[in-house]
Amino acid sequence: GAVVSQHPSWVICKSGTSVKIECRSLDFQATTMFWYRQFPKQSLMLMATSNEGSKATYEQGVEKDKFLINHASLTLSTLTVTSAHPEDSSFYICSAKRGAPYNEQFFGPGTRLTVL
Amino acid sequence: AQTVTQSQPEMSVQEAETVTLSCTYDTSESDYYLFWYKQPPSRQMILVIRQEAYKQQNATENRFSVNFQKAAKSFSLKISDSQLGDAAMYFCAYRSRGGGADGLTFGKGTHLIIQP
Repeated sequence: GAVVSQHPSWVICKSGTSVKIECRSLDFQATTMFWYRQFPKQSLMLMATSNEGSKATYEQGVEKDKFLINHASLTLSTLTVTSAHPEDSSFYICSAKRGAPYNEQFFGPGTRLTVL
Repeated sequence: AQTVTQSQPEMSVQEAETVTLSCTYDTSESDYYLFWYKQPPSRQMILVIRQEAYKQQNATENRFSVNFQKAAKSFSLKISDSQLGDAAMYFCAYRSRGGGADGLTFGKGTHLIIQP
């Protein structure tokens, strides 16, 4: 149990276009999901915390208008990179928090975004 | 804000030997969680072990154990009987307990090489 999927696993887009990445908890309900960004050979940086039915909380320095997060259901959160530019190219990873008594976070396999 | 420091960018160990990965952190909180995650080349984050700060006993999971020194804010990972499959990036991570700030703060990672 506790499987988290991401779609797509990789995407290539042209500069100026928008890209949507989905994160789904397949076998549990996740009231909270998290989005991380990982540059090559670097660590994961928390971008935002997404709570079902409410606005996402963004970390300092993360542009909320560029990285739109929607958490419309207990099993789905989406990250939309708007007007993507080459510097947005990165590996995006989501995690979903399973509630009590586990309070554990489970990671998706990640999405590699390349902006040309 | 919390910070996590991993001072060893890369470690190498002979198969079947024991290796210890270092992690220190800085926080003003008294209750929190600490984790070690493994990231193989597939980029899937895998939880290795977790420690709750209020527990004095060091966590153990089969060949993996931690040395948690709360006063020193140190959280090292010991891998016994190293196996080729242990080769990966290892990230130390911190998470607040409660208060809604459940996102993980990661260290920069240690690349573990297993020599056959």
